[in-house]
Amino acid sequence: QSVLTQPPSASGTPGQRVTISCSGSSSNIGSNTVNWYQQVPGTAPKLLIYSNNQRAPGAPDRFSGSKSGTSASLAISGLQSEDEADYYCSTWDDSLNGAVFGGGTQLTVL
Amino acid sequence: QVQVVQSGAEVKKPGASVKISCKASGYSFTSYYMHWVRQAPGQGLEWMGMINPSDGSTRYAQKFQGRVTMTRDTSTSTVYMELSSLRSEDTAVYYCARGPSIVARIWLDPWGQGTQVTVSS
Repeated sequence: QSVLTQPPSASGTPGQRVTISCSGSSSNIGSNTVNWYQQVPGTAPKLLIYSNNQRAPGAPDRFSGSKSGTSASLAISGLQSEDEADYYCSTWDDSLNGAVFGGGTQLTVL
Repeated sequence: QVQVVQSGAEVKKPGASVKISCKASGYSFTSYYMHWVRQAPGQGLEWMGMINPSDGSTRYAQKFQGRVTMTRDTSTSTVYMELSSLRSEDTAVYYCARGPSIVARIWLDPWGQGTQVTVSS
């Protein structure tokens, strides 16, 4: 059971817009910035979005992040086949005094 | 370029310890924290802790307190993560990843390639 809650799966067709949610609490998302990682199976995670809505160097501009209250979202517009991967949200938790991750969302491009 | 390179795969027996290295290059080693994250087979990411290479101070996830030790060698820009009293549930890929020198700003980039640790009798 992860501290941050993500849907286990999401899907879309090429060109579509897909959104992945990440829900937390006042001690984590509510008081700290959120980061998003992309992980292609068998490879190391890669930073995609940091500080809620800043794209990491090299991240395509079809990826965007947002945060409101104790929830955050990752949006992918113009979905492409190479976007098929696992996506994780992460932030700091003031109560646990450590970093926490969501359980991950497996994105399938149909 | 900025990169972190980890040591190779390990196979250990239950009760043993494992020590993984992570060598940084391409940036000022003491200006960024280094984090350790693990991923069990088919599971998500789990944060284990972090080390400040500048002074060696550490912060560990409660789950690993007493079993994990993170150290650094500034002469070689290398950090180490040692996990003791291994059990089968510790079988996972272990990653090191660089983070900003602000505790709560934990965007991690880049990540090492991962080190497979297998615990089996």
